[in-house]
Amino acid sequence: QQQVKQSPQSLIVQKGGISIINCAYENTAFDYFPWYQQFPGKGPALLIAIRPDVSEKKEGRFTISFNKSAKQFSLHIMDSQPGDSATYFCAASLNRDDKIIFGKGTRLHILP
Amino acid sequence: KAGVTQTPRYLIKTRGQQVTLSCSPISGHRSVSWYQQTPGQGLQFLFEYFSETQRNKGNFPGRFSGRQFSNSRSEMNVSTLELGDSALYLCASSLDGRNYGYTFGSGTRLTVV
Repeated sequence: QQQVKQSPQSLIVQKGGISIINCAYENTAFDYFPWYQQFPGKGPALLIAIRPDVSEKKEGRFTISFNKSAKQFSLHIMDSQPGDSATYFCAASLNRDDKIIFGKGTRLHILP
Repeated sequence: KAGVTQTPRYLIKTRGQQVTLSCSPISGHRSVSWYQQTPGQGLQFLFEYFSETQRNKGNFPGRFSGRQFSNSRSEMNVSTLELGDSALYLCASSLDGRNYGYTFGSGTRLTVV
């Protein structure tokens, strides 16, 4: 119930292509869904976040799509660049606490 | 402005020893959370402190403990180290919890031999 399942584990995309990472959750009490980006040797950095009352949120080339009925959300990276190569984590948290529950991560590699 | 500072960056300890890791949050941030990152389990929440009080706790054994000082700096301690405690320990700070966004430090890489 507390898990966030993320797929795929790894992803290779050509430069200029669209990278898509999917996540699913079970606990309908989750009300905050952030995405984090992590480069080697660094801590995760908040990329973009969404709440379940919104179906889509866009920031630059990054878009979160949220499907409340299916309990799924996804990250789309448009016009993917080699600098986007990193590990991406989806996450969720409950209203009553600030604990962030992370997916297992997707290692994204953008081919130049 | 300065980010979240974690010290030391790397640490090697022997099984059975104890270790203390330090985290200095961004100036003005009063919430500090700790996470353990391993290849197998990913990122797992340890605990969160706000204004020197533990506000939230994850599912880790009592060997893992933490504290926060009046200047918001935080330490976590692991006693009786086990091989499985080898991990990257990350600290994240926030003004006040998730709604203000968390900023992570670069972590302390702990190796238990």
